[in-house]
Amino acid sequence: GQNIDQPTEMTATEGAIVQINCTYQTSGFNGLFWYQQHAGEAPTFLSYNVLDGLEEKGRFSSFLSRSKGYSYLLLKELQMKDSASYLCAVNSNDYKLSFGAGTTVTVRA
Amino acid sequence: IAGITQAPTSQILAAGRRMTLRCTQDMRHNAMYWYRQDLGLGLRLIHYSNTAGTTGKGEVPDGYSVSRANTDDFPLTLASAVPSQTSVYFCASSETAGSSDTQYFGPGTRLTVL
Repeated sequence: GQNIDQPTEMTATEGAIVQINCTYQTSGFNGLFWYQQHAGEAPTFLSYNVLDGLEEKGRFSSFLSRSKGYSYLLLKELQMKDSASYLCAVNSNDYKLSFGAGTTVTVRA
Repeated sequence: IAGITQAPTSQILAAGRRMTLRCTQDMRHNAMYWYRQDLGLGLRLIHYSNTAGTTGKGEVPDGYSVSRANTDDFPLTLASAVPSQTSVYFCASSETAGSSDTQYFGPGTRLTVL
């Protein structure tokens, strides 16, 4: 089976930076996705990494190290609207996505 | 353009009843998926379809069936609902079943089986 681990909860202050880590052990690797999910809503796409390194997209960046089975999502200049769950998902050998349980980020004023 | 729609939004169902969750997309995506989301477990794939006319089993297919008669629709049927099927169900689609294709999710159906 696939094993994808991420912290359950994180809390940070408005304006700060938060880093959400994701480690994975999967049968093969074809890319890693990060999704954002606000409470009671559908997941929405944030980023995709397939090569090692950092992908920057505005206030959000995602990093991948395939040799370490590791990724992180970096959220900068946190805003109240960033309070949500962040889902790490790996596309493995069968070309299907396996999701971690998600990290709930709470932004405090 | 609606993207992906799901119906119903929520449903309370007696155990043993049959139920079909509907999913329709207007993006002409080839691949479609059904997930369930339970607290602490994340999204788990139930069934998928890489293209119209084909379906496959995901991680947790037991008790569920799907069909893909055309590109737009991908209904999920619970033949005889059980309380363990209480969950939030999300339908998703992607342009193809390729590894880099982003999956787009519908708004979800909250199902309670009593």
